[in-house]
Amino acid sequence: NAGVTQTPKFQVLKTGQSMTLQCAQDMNHNSMYWYRQDPGMGLRLIYYSASEGTTDKGEVPNGYNVSRLNKREFSLRLESAAPSQTSVYFCASSGSGRSYNEQFFGPGTRLTVL
Amino acid sequence: SQQGEEDPQALSIQEGENATMNCSYKTSINNLQWYRQNSGRGLVHLILIRSNEREKHSGRLRVTLDTSKKSSSLLITASRAADTASYFCATDETGANNLFFGTGTRLTVIP
Repeated sequence: NAGVTQTPKFQVLKTGQSMTLQCAQDMNHNSMYWYRQDPGMGLRLIYYSASEGTTDKGEVPNGYNVSRLNKREFSLRLESAAPSQTSVYFCASSGSGRSYNEQFFGPGTRLTVL
Repeated sequence: SQQGEEDPQALSIQEGENATMNCSYKTSINNLQWYRQNSGRGLVHLILIRSNEREKHSGRLRVTLDTSKKSSSLLITASRAADTASYFCATDETGANNLFFGTGTRLTVIP
């Protein structure tokens, strides 16, 4: 099992460019999450999907959109990147619709917006 | 923000010593979890303690939870250089649908 995979690992964008971060899990989990991690801020939830076909906003959703393509895949899109979106992005998944189960994290995508 | 607060922000100890880090939170919770993050990697789940539990052990890890003080502690006994990492607490808060992560404690274990 690969667990949670993310692509790409690194990306540099110019202000205003768009991109999609891809995430896939092979653990048959219902719930998937996108976080960003900034120095001194811990992890902050951007969007989550409690089950296939549903998505909900987290703490910091502005500037992002998500798609739960199927049970395995959950993508994060930046339509018009801004320097404030420079961060490390993590995708995670968990087994049930509630987050009380442990979350499994991908290796992260390090994004720099110039 | 509903993030927890870890204390200390950074901790440096000698191999073989015990390491204790603390987490405080603000609301009622269903459970509290601890995660570890090695530099440049994703987080890895270590242990979960439910709101009706006071102490839990897993190998060299011991977690306590005091819901009256809204605080938890993680103790790593007989530390090893490989324990060098950042440690985060995360709370599953009543009525919420996601975890809230603290800002982390950076642990350095010196060989």
